[in-house]
Amino acid sequence: DGGITQSPKYLFRKEGQNVTLSCEQNLNHDAMYWYRQDPGQGLRLIYYSQIVNDFQKGDIAEGYSVSREKKESFPLTVTSAQKNPTAFYLCASSSRTGRDQPQHFGDGTRLSIL
Amino acid sequence: QKEVEQNSGPLSVPEGAIASLNCTYSDRGSQSFFWYRQYSGKSPELIMFIYSNGDKEDGRFTAQLNKASQYVSLLIRDSQPSDSATYLCAVRVGAAGNKLTFGGGTRVLVKP
Repeated sequence: DGGITQSPKYLFRKEGQNVTLSCEQNLNHDAMYWYRQDPGQGLRLIYYSQIVNDFQKGDIAEGYSVSREKKESFPLTVTSAQKNPTAFYLCASSSRTGRDQPQHFGDGTRLSIL
Repeated sequence: QKEVEQNSGPLSVPEGAIASLNCTYSDRGSQSFFWYRQYSGKSPELIMFIYSNGDKEDGRFTAQLNKASQYVSLLIRDSQPSDSATYLCAVRVGAAGNKLTFGGGTRVLVKP
């Protein structure tokens, strides 16, 4: 089955610690995205990548970092500089071109501070 | 002004009735419009998309787009309790790439 796999499902971060959220897709999509969702809010774009070895900042990139070394993988690191990391993190992917190409989402990772 | 706006709700609808959700957007260059459904604690799932003015129907769902007035709506006919969820409107701007801007979502409650 093709899809997007995010891991872990739940993650706890200690003060001063960096944590990495995994996102893998086997849909052969060029573009991948990371969103943050706070309770009762919509999705805010953190980073996105349209092709391997290239990525762009979204609206709330401060305190986060990403890499795109493989087409299938787009890990997100939440650094200690992100002072309020508690949120639901969603990874998505899509075809890069075509106006009717939707984004498909993984099941998400819930991050909390210990 | 937010780029994509939705009434947060909750929109309370009796079972069997029509639920009507609205979304307005600020960028006239917006190309494509997507509706996602998100159950509590789950990730968004695509319901449908529209990019031409007018109506598009898919089962019990109808999306309506009016680019001149910069709004897109979603109608849910014969609403069921299983339709109780938050509905997210997403807008794609420009012809290159598929970056989306999401509204804050409308919570819908269908009462038996």
